[in-house]
Amino acid sequence: DGGITQSPKYLFRKEGQNVTLSCEQNLNHDAMYWYRQDPGQGLRLIYYSQIVNDFQKGDIAEGYSVSREKKESFPLTVTSAQKNPTAFYLCASSGTSGRETQYFGPGTRLLVL
Amino acid sequence: KQEVTQIPAALSVPEGENLVLNCSFTDSAIYNLQWFRQDPGKGLTSLLLIQSSQREQTSGRLNASLDKSSGRSTLYIAASQPGDSATYLCAVKAERYSGGGADGLTFGKGTHLIIQP
Repeated sequence: DGGITQSPKYLFRKEGQNVTLSCEQNLNHDAMYWYRQDPGQGLRLIYYSQIVNDFQKGDIAEGYSVSREKKESFPLTVTSAQKNPTAFYLCASSGTSGRETQYFGPGTRLLVL
Repeated sequence: KQEVTQIPAALSVPEGENLVLNCSFTDSAIYNLQWFRQDPGKGLTSLLLIQSSQREQTSGRLNASLDKSSGRSTLYIAASQPGDSATYLCAVKAERYSGGGADGLTFGKGTHLIIQP
């Protein structure tokens, strides 16, 4: 089945700890995205990548980092500099013409201990 | 900066009714507009994608319209069912004058829809 997988489903972070959220897609899409969703809010863009080894900051990149070493994978690291990390994190992918649907993964919920 | 607003924030209607969800955006320079459905604690499911050159798209009981010049879109749901209960999100992809077309979407806060059996 083609799609996007995210792991883990739930993640707990201790103070001062960096944690990494996984996102893998087998849709052969060049573009991948990370969004953050807070309760009662729409999604906000953290980072996006149009191609391997390239990525761009979105609207709320501070306290986050990403890498894109493979086309299929776009992991997101929530660093200790992110002071309010509790949220629902969604990964998406699409083609790069600007006119395709974005497909979303099931999400990872990050909680702070 | 692009802003997307969805009205109403919440809606509860009896089963069988036809209903309209509204979305407005401030910058008409968009590639497309997309409507998504989100169930509690889940990811997003794409419902309809309308390109900037199109006026509407239909899928089953769903019909979405786009008036790019006025910055408005509506999602029409016919003969609503309890299974339609979810949060509906509207999102736009902005045109860019440099770089590729893989920029992210700008989302509204959603309409929380409850269909009463």
